[in-house]
Amino acid sequence: TQLLEQSPQFLSIQEGENLTVYCNSSSVFSSLQWYRQEPGEGPVLLVTVVTGGEVKKLKRLTFQFGDARKDSSLHITAAQPGDTGLYLCAGEGNFNKFYFGSGTKLNVKP
Amino acid sequence: DAGVTQSPTHLIKTRGQHVTLRCSPISGHKSVSWYQQVLGQGPQFIFQYYEKEERGRGNFPDRFSARQFPNYSSELNVNALLLGDSALYLCASSPRRREVTDTQYFGPGTRLTVL
Repeated sequence: TQLLEQSPQFLSIQEGENLTVYCNSSSVFSSLQWYRQEPGEGPVLLVTVVTGGEVKKLKRLTFQFGDARKDSSLHITAAQPGDTGLYLCAGEGNFNKFYFGSGTKLNVKP
Repeated sequence: DAGVTQSPTHLIKTRGQHVTLRCSPISGHKSVSWYQQVLGQGPQFIFQYYEKEERGRGNFPDRFSARQFPNYSSELNVNALLLGDSALYLCASSPRRREVTDTQYFGPGTRLTVL
């Protein structure tokens, strides 16, 4: 079983639509990271959130860390085909162990 | 600056063989972690090494081992390969600065296929 549950697993939308991806856990993490991964490549870090309730914005992407530091969300405004990829959340546990969710596969159609 | 590098990029082995995967961290990074990513899933933590010592181990059998060298590069070894070991093996480095939350930077991975 995954320590972090991501939803939805798959998302196919039209260019210009908005979307939200969720990352939930019953565990508390000292930080939570979001990555985007393209086929055959390693994950690329998008953002790290540390403080409960923290909100970070990266252009059209908005990341939020839950108040209790157990969950997070990623909201994309006006999605573009270049946003297509696998979005992974990862929570930092003890000894720099990172627990990954199973990912949300996003496809943005032109 | 060079990112995390891994070699080889692809590898095909047969059941029962062993394999060694290599990773060079970002210059100045002292911590290396290894992950296994099976198709369709998120990465699963295997090991973390810092200053040549194992600092964390995930739920993997003893067939999996690793080490870190004085230059902070690392090797992951897998013995007695099984079909289920087929996966993308990812290496991540981090500076391991104790006073701040660490950030991991991933390499492109080694795609291992076991036939």
